[in-house]
Amino acid sequence: KNQVEQSPQSLIILEGKNCTLQCNYTVSPFSNLRWYKQDTGRGPVSLTIMTFSENTKSNGRYTATLDADTKQSSLHITASQLSDSASYICVVSAGFSGGYNKLIFGAGTRLAVHP
Amino acid sequence: EPEVTQTPSHQVTQMGQEVILRCVPISNHLYFYWYRQILGQKVEFLVSFYNNEISEKSEIFDDQFSVERPDGSNFTLKIRSTKLEDSAMYFCASSGGGTGFKNIQYFGAGTRLSVL
Repeated sequence: KNQVEQSPQSLIILEGKNCTLQCNYTVSPFSNLRWYKQDTGRGPVSLTIMTFSENTKSNGRYTATLDADTKQSSLHITASQLSDSASYICVVSAGFSGGYNKLIFGAGTRLAVHP
Repeated sequence: EPEVTQTPSHQVTQMGQEVILRCVPISNHLYFYWYRQILGQKVEFLVSFYNNEISEKSEIFDDQFSVERPDGSNFTLKIRSTKLEDSAMYFCASSGGGTGFKNIQYFGAGTRLSVL
């Protein structure tokens, strides 16, 4: 069964600190892995996307890693800001022919950045 | 930047009533999706749509649900007879197809459906 597991469920950090969120997945056929940021009451917004051949991808203060062998990914946030408070969702895409992709969502890590 | 727009932002309905949730995908996108998120739970896939037909649907997407692309711009989700458990945030998404970055799904802000 296709599954995406994330840890921790929630995390509280002080402004300016770094943090790392974890994702484990069992999805087949694997196409790519994405990290989304979801503010409360809003739709998810894509942060990074990685295929199996990429093991790291950065987007500003966000750096995602992917180990396709162990089926693990992490999202590292550097120098956190209050606006980073949100849910971070690991999403794995199962790729099919014709360009269609099916997204399997993790439950998310709820990050709270405190001043 | 182009975006997916959804209307209404909040829909309140009585159990047993029909509702139609509307979405305007990004104009040059080819693939369209509906997801739902029950409060406090993960986002769940409902259905994907391509070339005027359903590509895939989940077990959630039963006979009460239907999707339509009535014209060149709108993509709708209809729930025929709403149940209390249909209360959730419904997200529409669209993608351009292809591989890698071309395959990013862009999400709308969602419609919150409250069934009373």
